[in-house]
Amino acid sequence: QVQLKESGPGLVQPSQTLSLTCTVSGFSLTSNSVHWVRQPPGKGLEWVGAIWSGGSTDYNSALKSRLSISRDTSKSQVFLKMNSLQTEDTAIYFCTRSSGLLDWGQGTLVTVSS
Amino acid sequence: DVVLTQTPPTLLATIGQSVSISCRSSQSLLHSNGNTYLNWLLQRTGQSPQPLIYLVSKLESGVPNRFSGSGSGTDFTLKISGVEAEDLGVYYCMQFTHYPLTFGSGTKLEIK
Repeated sequence: QVQLKESGPGLVQPSQTLSLTCTVSGFSLTSNSVHWVRQPPGKGLEWVGAIWSGGSTDYNSALKSRLSISRDTSKSQVFLKMNSLQTEDTAIYFCTRSSGLLDWGQGTLVTVSS
Repeated sequence: DVVLTQTPPTLLATIGQSVSISCRSSQSLLHSNGNTYLNWLLQRTGQSPQPLIYLVSKLESGVPNRFSGSGSGTDFTLKISGVEAEDLGVYYCMQFTHYPLTFGSGTKLEIK
């Protein structure tokens, strides 16, 4: 059974760095891509970036300068790091499996506030 | 970036009514490999999105056949033939023919 679960701090101060972990089970990171998608409260979905099965990454160009996605295949974990956080980065952050976004985690709410 | 324009933003339907949602792309979603990577997702309140349809018209496993997708190029449609109460939520189209992957702005289906 495919599962994804996001974890990380619920509250981040402005200008600080966000670190999120997506722990997956039921599939291999070396055979599947993992994408991050975020959703500001009450708003629509925004693709953040992806790490492909081979380990390369792609990022939303609007976030690219602040964003890093990496993984630890031995632990079945994918990591998102975003620096210089602002209030507009407040959102639910989801990790999802494959380009078709076939399976989703429950999401984790990140609030950027002092 | 590819812009997906969804209409209508809100849909009010009665149980049993058939409804359609339009998704128009700012450029063709036909990939050079012959596939069109246009999917539909449903997000129920308080839940993660779930896939409904992939490659324009193929139903994901477990999705009722009252859902159907059609279209090509830049114009796509999701149809629900006989809305049921469990169908309420926000529907999104998404494309990954071109990166960055992009989503439509969503259509909220409400039940009368």
